Formats: sequence, structure tokens, C-alpha cells
Amino acid sequence: SQQGEEDPQALSIQEGENATMNCSYKTSINNLQWYRQNSGRGLVHLILIRSNEREKHSGRLRVTLDTSKKSSSLLITASRAADTASYFCATDPSGGSNYKLTFGKGTLLTVNP
Amino acid sequence: GAGVSQSPRYKVAKRGQDVALRCDPISGHVSLFWYQQALGQGPEFLTYFQNEAQLDKSGLPSDRFFAERPEGSVSTLKIQRTQQEDSAVYLCASSQGAKDTQYFGPGTRLTVL
Repeated sequence: SQQGEEDPQALSIQEGENATMNCSYKTSINNLQWYRQNSGRGLVHLILIRSNEREKHSGRLRVTLDTSKKSSSLLITASRAADTASYFCATDPSGGSNYKLTFGKGTLLTVNP
Repeated sequence: GAGVSQSPRYKVAKRGQDVALRCDPISGHVSLFWYQQALGQGPEFLTYFQNEAQLDKSGLPSDRFFAERPEGSVSTLKIQRTQQEDSAVYLCASSQGAKDTQYFGPGTRLTVL
């Protein structure tokens, strides 16, 4: 079963614009991670935010986490055509099975040159 | 260093055939995971190994699915008597420890005719 849900399902923007994707989840978590998946390739880890963190930056990526609302957002600034991919949030639950990542359905981002 | 590799990258099987999918994790990674990704969905957890021990197989959809990691390195996911609903991308991931970042391979796309 999918724990997270990304929103929107698909997003199309022009190069140079910012892209924001949201993720909601259902149960208590230890961490929330964002992954990128290009067509025909595996998942690439982008960033991890811990449950006691509220915001994290990595290069052009900014992630926020609101545990009270069980939601996270991923902002990609100054987007490039190479950012075209599907983006997934993944959570690991607090408790015993905290190795078991649960993914959402993903947001398909298209960056037009 | 080398990432996670998987073979074959593509597999076409006739319904009823057995298939074996191979995963070579990052050297030294103790934890190994298998996920199944249906078209348009996020990956779903299948099973987890710590070294050669299969500690969690709760995600395996039926007893036709079997995974092993006999020497604590390479792992094989075997599907017996394949069905059309087994068509999916099978992703392998490894991490240093169960709670560490999981690094994914490119996946094996299985098509059952």
C-alpha cells in the first residue's frame, strides 16, 4: 500500500521557473526522503529530512516538513531541462520496521527548454 | 565507486515460466532490499536482507516469489510460474545499515506475456 501521496500528479514548467511538489503521508515517521527517477533509470536519492527538522537545503533543492500536517514539500529552483523526471517522496515509519520505505505515486515534472 | 547493478535490465517471459533476477549491491553494504514498481506507481517493498539473513519478506505478494542472498552479497529474486500481473520493474537497493540511505539499481523490467 502507498503511504505517501504526491501532488500534483504532473507538472509542466518552463526552464528557469521554480517547481513545487507536495507530499502527504499517513503515519508517524522517522525520516522523509525525496527521490528522482528518470525514464528507464533507477531511483536517485535527493535529500533526507528527519522528523525533528523543518527545512533542509541542498543546492537548488529545498525541502520542508510539517509533521503536524503530515506533509512535505520539495522546491526546485531555477529548473533545467535535465530536471525532467518523476519525483517520489518516501517515508520510513517510526517503530520496528523503520527500514521499510513507503513511496507515493510520484509527481511527473516536465521542464520545457 | 560502482553503484548497485541489476541484471538482466529487461526480461520477457511467457506466462508460467520461472524467472531469476540478479542484484549486485554496493560492496560492503549490509542491507539489501527488493521493491516492485508497477507502471505509473511508486515502488512497493518486497523483502529485506541483513547480510545473508532475510529479516522481512512481508511484501512478497505470493509464495511464487522467493529471494535469497546466500553469501551476504549478491541477491536473486526468483518468480515461479509467472503471471501477467507480475509484469513490473523490480528494483534492488542496498544501504550500509538498515536505517541508512538506500541506493537503488536501474531495475529489471519484467514483461509477462
